[in-house]
Amino acid sequence: AQRVTQPEKLLSVFKGAPVELKCNYSYSGSPELFWYVQYSRQRLQLLLRHISRESIKGFTADLNKGETSFHLKKPFAQEEDSAMYYCALSVRQNTDKLIFGTGTRLQVFP
Amino acid sequence: DTGVSQNPRHKITKRGQNVTFRCDPISEHNRLYWYRQTLGQGPEFLTYFQNEAQLEKSRLLSDRFSAERPKGSFSTLEIQRTEQGDSAMYLCASTSILDGVNTGELFFGEGSRLTVL
Repeated sequence: AQRVTQPEKLLSVFKGAPVELKCNYSYSGSPELFWYVQYSRQRLQLLLRHISRESIKGFTADLNKGETSFHLKKPFAQEEDSAMYYCALSVRQNTDKLIFGTGTRLQVFP
Repeated sequence: DTGVSQNPRHKITKRGQNVTFRCDPISEHNRLYWYRQTLGQGPEFLTYFQNEAQLEKSRLLSDRFSAERPKGSFSTLEIQRTEQGDSAMYLCASTSILDGVNTGELFFGEGSRLTVL
């Protein structure tokens, strides 16, 4: 079965500290992985996708098929990074639907 | 265009009543999704449309739930004989599929929060 696991419900760091939000997936096909973010009082929005291999707001994520992981990283956290982060898996090409993890709340303290 | 719009934003109803939510997607988007999110969980897929065709329904969508997108534009999600377990945030999202290619970016609405007493 397709599944996305985010083991941490809450991650608290101080400003300037490195951040790693963990995501593991279970899928027998060729995965497409995404990170979505929800800032306070805003709607859920795409942060980045693995096929783009891009850095958005200083965040990067590398797909590791051997470990079935797609961890989100940022070397120096900022207070404005505080938000809810969801890892998501597309179960078929062209994103017929996304399966989301339970989310990790990132709190960045000044 | 202000993005995906959902109405009402909040709905409180008594158990057994029917409720209907409306979603207006981004105008040029031909694919529309409904998700449900409960406290402490990520969004769970319910169903999606490509234009007016409903292409997939989750097993989460019981017979009490029905979704339509009659003209391939706005969509409605109706819940009949509501139960307390239906209390959740109902999210709508849209995207565009062109020539069979999708970037994978879903544009979400702000959601409709349902509370069943």
